[in-house]
Amino acid sequence: DAKTTQPPSMDCAEGRAANLPCNHSTISGNEYVYWYRQIHSQGPQYIIHGLKNNETNEMASLIITEDRKSSTLILPHATLRDTAVYYCIVRSVGYGGATNKLIFGTGTLLAVQP
Amino acid sequence: DTAVSQTPKYLVTQMGNDKSIKCEQNLGHDTMYWYKQDSKKFLKIMFSYNNKELIINETVPNRFSPKSPDKAHLNLHINSLELGDSAVYFCASSQIQGGTDTQYFGPGTRLTVL
Repeated sequence: DAKTTQPPSMDCAEGRAANLPCNHSTISGNEYVYWYRQIHSQGPQYIIHGLKNNETNEMASLIITEDRKSSTLILPHATLRDTAVYYCIVRSVGYGGATNKLIFGTGTLLAVQP
Repeated sequence: DTAVSQTPKYLVTQMGNDKSIKCEQNLGHDTMYWYKQDSKKFLKIMFSYNNKELIINETVPNRFSPKSPDKAHLNLHINSLELGDSAVYFCASSQIQGGTDTQYFGPGTRLTVL
């Protein structure tokens, strides 16, 4: 699985958009970009994933560059409850195979300020 | 309804003891996982089962023995506990759909070995 690079920490004002960047310059064609977050003392929570196109769901938007070497997770209106460590993970997915594991890096600690 | 549940939530025990952690998912998924998060917050895959068959075993000491009695359950038994086993253990489950999967995590079991 490709390696990702994220800033160790970021701040965001409550109510503003939080833009979390991720570099994955060695991503291969069949690898997806996944985002998870871990709120303190809780299990990781799935946010969103994408392959090539930009994606949006009720939690966030994912913008993937055309060359797929980087992406940005956007939380449109950050709240205090969005304070968490955000993990960007690139991975391929196989049917019942060893590729299904998630390899977590150190992530970005997003601190939403009141 | 809790999708992925773990018991116990907290476990404090002495070195040398044997203990088990249980995980259950009610999502109908066919793949389940154990992850370990150490004191430095690194989250790493330990095991994965697909349809009760072990498919991932990541250089984990053989004191750790997972058991999957059925697709909805994946238990983790640890023999001869050591201080270094102190960590938070997360169970997760997933199901491949449309060429990808999303892993759902349990709340974690915090194991403290004294």
